Amino acid sequence: EIVLTQSPGTLSLSPGERATLSCRASQSVSSSYLAWYQQKPGQAPRLLIYGASSRATGIPDRFSGSGSGTDFTLTISRLEPEDFAVYYCQQYGSSSWTFGQGTKVEIK
Amino acid sequence: EVQLVQSGAEVKKPGESLRISCKGSGYSFTSYWISWVRQMPGKGLEWMGRIDPSDSYTNYSPSFQGHVTISADKSISTAYLQWSSLKASDTAMYYCARRRIAVAGTEVDAFDIWGQGTMVTVSS
Repeated sequence: EIVLTQSPGTLSLSPGERATLSCRASQSVSSSYLAWYQQKPGQAPRLLIYGASSRATGIPDRFSGSGSGTDFTLTISRLEPEDFAVYYCQQYGSSSWTFGQGTKVEIK
Repeated sequence: EVQLVQSGAEVKKPGESLRISCKGSGYSFTSYWISWVRQMPGKGLEWMGRIDPSDSYTNYSPSFQGHVTISADKSISTAYLQWSSLKASDTAMYYCARRRIAVAGTEVDAFDIWGQGTMVTVSS
């Protein structure tokens, strides 16, 4: 099973700042099968990024994804108040899916 | 509108059985796999298993194999997650999610539509 490790666990930033979230895989992951989700309190997760770098429908362009192999990054260029949430990366491989443990982006 | 609508919150006692549901609408239900995802209180997301509604083929995470059963009734566009004997440790929010495998002809793999979640509380 591929393990995804996200860092940092918590990111304390102010609105307008740039957020950089990391997702590292225990073995190589196909970029096509790497996704990012946002989850706000009391809500279901929402797909942000698929294929490592493509934004899902309706996702603002301040969100971007990059990376390949074992290292992937989610960047939020300028944090808006509604972006403070928990973010998860996810991969598919060998007929199963795994999620990272999540990064919480909180208001500083 | 494409959506997955889950059944309501449940409160059960240890040892009881339970089946929760996830109804798809606005798309061809048999064209997309459905997965179930657990989120224990204050914790992260865990993939439990999936079903292909077209033929009801399933596979499970080793962590959940034998503890839950996933099924589907394609005639009513509904997937199910069931337990035969609940434990207190099954207390969690459970989400269903639709798997997307292609966007504009490009191969991808992501859960593009999620249900609103079903909270299951198991307590004596």
